[in-house]
Parts: sequence; structure tokens; C-alpha cells
Amino acid sequence: GQQLNQSPQSMFIQEGEDVSMNCTSSSIFNTWLWYKQDPGEGPVLLIALYKAGELTSNGRLTAQFGITRKDSFLNISASIPSDVGIYFCAGHYGGATNKLIFGTGTLLAVQP
Amino acid sequence: DAGITQSPRHKVTETGTPVTLRCHQTENHRYMYWYRQDPGHGLRLIHYSYGVKDTDKGEVSDGYSVSRSKTEDFLLTLESATSSQTSVYFCAISDRDRESFGPGTRLTVT
Repeated sequence: GQQLNQSPQSMFIQEGEDVSMNCTSSSIFNTWLWYKQDPGEGPVLLIALYKAGELTSNGRLTAQFGITRKDSFLNISASIPSDVGIYFCAGHYGGATNKLIFGTGTLLAVQP
Repeated sequence: DAGITQSPRHKVTETGTPVTLRCHQTENHRYMYWYRQDPGHGLRLIHYSYGVKDTDKGEVSDGYSVSRSKTEDFLLTLESATSSQTSVYFCAISDRDRESFGPGTRLTVT
């Protein structure tokens, strides 16, 4: 099945550092979404992007919808220990089924 | 938080037994989805529904069936569970283009 290429697979950083992760696709997407999953819980939506070039922030998080509509990135500034978790990108490429395609996730570990 | 519950939250079953997982929503959303999550694979779509009695297959539908007789409930059935179906199962709902997830069901098939 179709999947997004998400990188890096994992990151181990010190508290206070900035983080960047990205997703790429061979298909054009109409929507890009970024989720965070804490251990033992379901993914929670962080940011939704709807237009090519759109840059959206949510607190210390910033995400952009790539101009080509085939990529997106998520930045986390000044990381803190509670940022630990798995981050997933996801995208819609349209159609009546409304299905999302998910990236394989980026595991973020933050050392105090 | 989106009103999504899943039951059971944990289940251990034996190979060959039938298993049904339930997803219940209070949001009256049209779309409902079942995913499984496994290490190295992220979230993979099993089946989805776009309305009462309207369902379709996702990318990993073999060995699974679904039913949606009411807007609020979406059932996932493993007719004869196999060890390869040991996984964490998530239900999701959406009414536009953003999905909200339930808390998950951890299923172990021994």
C-alpha cells in the first residue's frame, strides 16, 4: 500500500534543542496533517495544512505544506521532556473515500 | 477530546477463535476507520465506512470484516484469529479531512 516517506526514523536530543522532521510523497496531496502519539494512547492531531506553501504554528510547533504538494515538514523549537513520543505525518490525496495515508513515524526522545 | 471509545481495551485470545472489536462515537461523524499499528509499519488501514451499511476495504483487509448498522458503531471482526493479527487496533472518525483516534485495543493472539 501507499505510504509516505518520513524521516528521520528516530531522534535523540537534549532538552532545549530544536527538532525538524519531514515527509515526502510521490503523489500530490490536498491536505497534510501532523499527529503525535504518546505511549499507550491514540494519535492526537497537532497541525493541519490545507494549501501549498501554507506555514502554520501551534505553540512551539511549526509545520509547512510544501510548494510541490508532495512534502511537508514539522519543526519543534526548544524541546522539552513532554515532547517525547512518536510523530506521524499523514495526507489526503482526495477522492470520495476521505482516506488518510500515514508516514511510518518519527520517534523523538528528549533527554533532560 | 473527540467522543470515541473502543472496547475492549485489551484482549488475549487463542488462535482460531472469533474476535469482535467495537468502536463507538458520539460525534455523529460520517466516516469511521479501523487501523492496525505494528512496529516498523506505522498505521495501516484495515477497513473504513462512509455511512451506515457503506464499508470498503483498506490496504490490509484480509482476515477482517466490518459492519456498521448505526452511525455511532463500527465493529471489526476477526473470524478466525491468527498470531499475525496480534497488534494494536485503532478506530478513527472524521467528518472532513482530519481524523480523530480512539484510545486503541491491544489484541494478543496466542
